Amino acid sequence: RKEVEQDPGPFNVPEGATVAFNCTYSNSASQSFFWYRQDCRKEPKLLMSVYSSGNEDGRFTAQLNRASQYISLLIRDSKLSDSATYLCVVLAGGGNKLTFGTGTQLKVEL
Amino acid sequence: EAGVAQSPRYKIIEKRQSVAFWCNPISGHATLYWYQQILGQGPKLLIQFQNNGVVDDSQLPKDRFSAERLKGVDSTLKIQPAKLEDSAVYLCASSLGLWTGRRSGRAGETQYFGPGTRLLVL
Repeated sequence: RKEVEQDPGPFNVPEGATVAFNCTYSNSASQSFFWYRQDCRKEPKLLMSVYSSGNEDGRFTAQLNRASQYISLLIRDSKLSDSATYLCVVLAGGGNKLTFGTGTQLKVEL
Repeated sequence: EAGVAQSPRYKIIEKRQSVAFWCNPISGHATLYWYQQILGQGPKLLIQFQNNGVVDDSQLPKDRFSAERLKGVDSTLKIQPAKLEDSAVYLCASSLGLWTGRRSGRAGETQYFGPGTRLLVL
């Protein structure tokens, strides 16, 4: 079983739609959770951290369910500029070592 | 503030040849990471340095890959000899290096990635 699993997509959605991505992780001792965004042929960039209480940043909402080892990202009112690959990332153990999922590709269309 | 710098941006070599990549982290960042990202996959950590010491190299194929950060600033990653399956993007990242150990439910340090080096092995 992969340490971090995501549906690779692609998710093709119209502009203005709401889209949700899911991620599961296998290490129950994982400590911190993130969503990174990676544009085509670019480097990954931190989108947001995921907290146990859930957190929101504008149109983006992230949630964590430790019991189910499940992380989600919700994007409301999708924009064309949201088109990218969204990477689910987990931190476990010392040393700030990140484990990345394979990413979910989002394409927002007119 | 300047970001993480990497060179070269692209490299094409034949299998069994050697290749080296260079990374200059953000000024003041003590921790430096090298990742390998194969097409269609997420980045995979190869090696992590704290200053000039290795923190984690458990996923580095040591028979052919080596990395150093002699002065605790910039770093080089070398592949010798290269194989076809080494074709990937090699990403360097850095972070402040102040975070150590466990935290409960809060973020670790943000890692800032460079633009990567795209390697094609023929």
